[in-house]
Amino acid sequence: SQQGEEDPQALSIQEGENATMNCSYKTSINNLQWYRQNSGRGLVHLILIRSNEREKHSGRLRVTLDTSKKSSSLLITASRAADTASYFCATPDKAAGNKLTFGGGTRVLVKP
Amino acid sequence: DTGVSQDPRHKITKRGQNVTFRCDPISEHNRLYWYRQTLGQGPEFLTYFQNEAQLEKSRLLSDRFSAERPKGSFSTLEIQRTEQGDSAMYLCASSLLRGPGDYGYTFGSGTRLTVV
Repeated sequence: SQQGEEDPQALSIQEGENATMNCSYKTSINNLQWYRQNSGRGLVHLILIRSNEREKHSGRLRVTLDTSKKSSSLLITASRAADTASYFCATPDKAAGNKLTFGGGTRVLVKP
Repeated sequence: DTGVSQDPRHKITKRGQNVTFRCDPISEHNRLYWYRQTLGQGPEFLTYFQNEAQLEKSRLLSDRFSAERPKGSFSTLEIQRTEQGDSAMYLCASSLLRGPGDYGYTFGSGTRLTVV
């Protein structure tokens, strides 16, 4: 079973709008990571938030983490067509070489 | 180093044939991971190495799959007697063990395998 589950599975917005996606996970974590994947390509690490952090920003990205609810959200502000991609949350298993367990992803389409 | 390199980018093979993929990680990274991803799904863990030691293999990795990382540098993933269900994107990632905190991976572009 997947550790992280993203919601929604798909999202379609107009350029300039904000995109919000959520991730829920099951076990305790040291950190949670978000990755982006363009069609047919590898994943790109976007941002890492530690378990003792509640919010983190990187450019147009804002990530929140609520460990009591075992959930995280990724907000992309002022979206651009180039933000069209799949976004995955992932959590590392410290006891197993920090192998990441990924959710099923949110497919975001930003229409120009 | 410009990142993690995977070769080939695409591979089409007939059912029953053997295939081998190569991954060149970022040189100073001591951990190397293999993942498999099918269409519309998130990546699934297959195996990982710390230096040359293979420390964990997923139950997804049947006896037909074998991975090596000689000398702790590049890695190969071999699939013997391929089946149509092996069709997927095979992703390699590397990371540097630094201690608690940053564990972001650097992924390669993947090898897309199609078994016909």
